[in-house]
Amino acid sequence: NAGVTQTPKFQVLKTGQSMTLQCAQDMNHEYMSWYRQDPGMGLRLIHYSVGAGITDQGEVPNGYNVSRSTTEDFPLRLLSAAPSQTSVYFCASSKENYGYTFGSGTRLTVV
Amino acid sequence: AQSVTQPDIHITVSEGASLELRCNYSYGATPYLFWYVQSPGQGLQLLLKYFSGDTLVQGIKGFEAEFKRSQSSFNLRKPSVHWSDAAEYFCAVGPPGSARQLTFGSGTQLTVLP
Repeated sequence: NAGVTQTPKFQVLKTGQSMTLQCAQDMNHEYMSWYRQDPGMGLRLIHYSVGAGITDQGEVPNGYNVSRSTTEDFPLRLLSAAPSQTSVYFCASSKENYGYTFGSGTRLTVV
Repeated sequence: AQSVTQPDIHITVSEGASLELRCNYSYGATPYLFWYVQSPGQGLQLLLKYFSGDTLVQGIKGFEAEFKRSQSSFNLRKPSVHWSDAAEYFCAVGPPGSARQLTFGSGTQLTVLP
């Protein structure tokens, strides 16, 4: 049982480039979310999904897109990377209200 | 809007000493409450959660937390700290009936002295 798998673990982008952060879970969880973690700010919710085909915005959605075509996968797309998007990104999944299981994170640097 | 405050950015304790990490929240009703721990370079691991009922909740690794409605607090405690407890701890709140849209505090870094 792999839990929540995020790829890649590290990424460096140039300003203006686009990329997709992958997230997959094998626990049949209906809820999935993307958070970003910045020093001294805790984690902030970017987008979340309550099931396949359903997504919604969190606290800091600008510059990011998501889709949920299957229960297992919830990719996060950066449309045009900016230095302000340098952060550590965490994907998490949950069944009902049991509390989130987090992936190990993707450390993204935009130069 | 809901918010979470962890007033202590960094706490240092000696191994074997007791620990209390503070968490205060702002919300119109009793929210769902969580404590997570993050080791360096790792994701977050759920320590415990409170939805309703008994205000003292037990979690993994010997941690417990007490919900105090009158103080809007959900402090995390451990009677005797181990060196392996050194990590960053995050308190989080979610709307009643939902653990999906969590708001996290800024975290407390715990250092354990030998």
